Amino acid sequence: GESVGLHLPTLSVQEGDNSIINCAYSNSASDYFIWYKQESGKGPQFIIDIRSNMDKRQGQRVTVLLNKTVKHLSLQIAATQPGDSAVYFCAENSGGSNYKLTFGKGTLLTVNP
Amino acid sequence: DAGVIQSPRHEVTEMGQEVTLRCKPISGHNSLFWYRQTMMRGLELLIYFNNNVPIDDSGMPEDRFSAKMPNASFSTLKIQPSEPRDSAVYFCASSLGQVGSSGEQFFGPGTRLTVL
Repeated sequence: GESVGLHLPTLSVQEGDNSIINCAYSNSASDYFIWYKQESGKGPQFIIDIRSNMDKRQGQRVTVLLNKTVKHLSLQIAATQPGDSAVYFCAENSGGSNYKLTFGKGTLLTVNP
Repeated sequence: DAGVIQSPRHEVTEMGQEVTLRCKPISGHNSLFWYRQTMMRGLELLIYFNNNVPIDDSGMPEDRFSAKMPNASFSTLKIQPSEPRDSAVYFCASSLGQVGSSGEQFFGPGTRLTVL
């Protein structure tokens, strides 16, 4: 799994499998979390977000789970496709009038056809 | 909507030269962020503005770096003098920046800077 400040981990999966990317955050005051996807040569792109009053949120083929007790966030990608190959970042925001996001180092997902 | 626009997309310069990176945020967004991305350090926030006012510049590496936002539709990040260790991809991002709104930030395509 990934944690803010650690080295970039990698995950390799077969096309069609489900992928789970993990992220540990450090600020217990954070109340908003985002997952971003960054393809080679492009800027990070929003995938899904979740607020701290929720523990699960689903999108199209993606699900984010939040466990505030252990300060853990995960991104699940169903039926992973080659186009999902990218670096995935989690980001946290401590809320209020602070609009700053703190990004993790990212996880490289490689999908093998 | 054209999204966040950055220019130039690529910049190659020699050590000691001045470099200016430009950003046009999404219209209506009140917050603007400058990031630097390298393999070694990942994505680092350099500075962010809200309503054209710098709010947090604690990530600016040193005095060689400066950023301005003269109006709601334009920002610059300047490095003077540039050094090889400044080589990185620089991203600009914008968000609505309103209390209660989503904190989602929209990123531009980045400027790849190479300092020789």
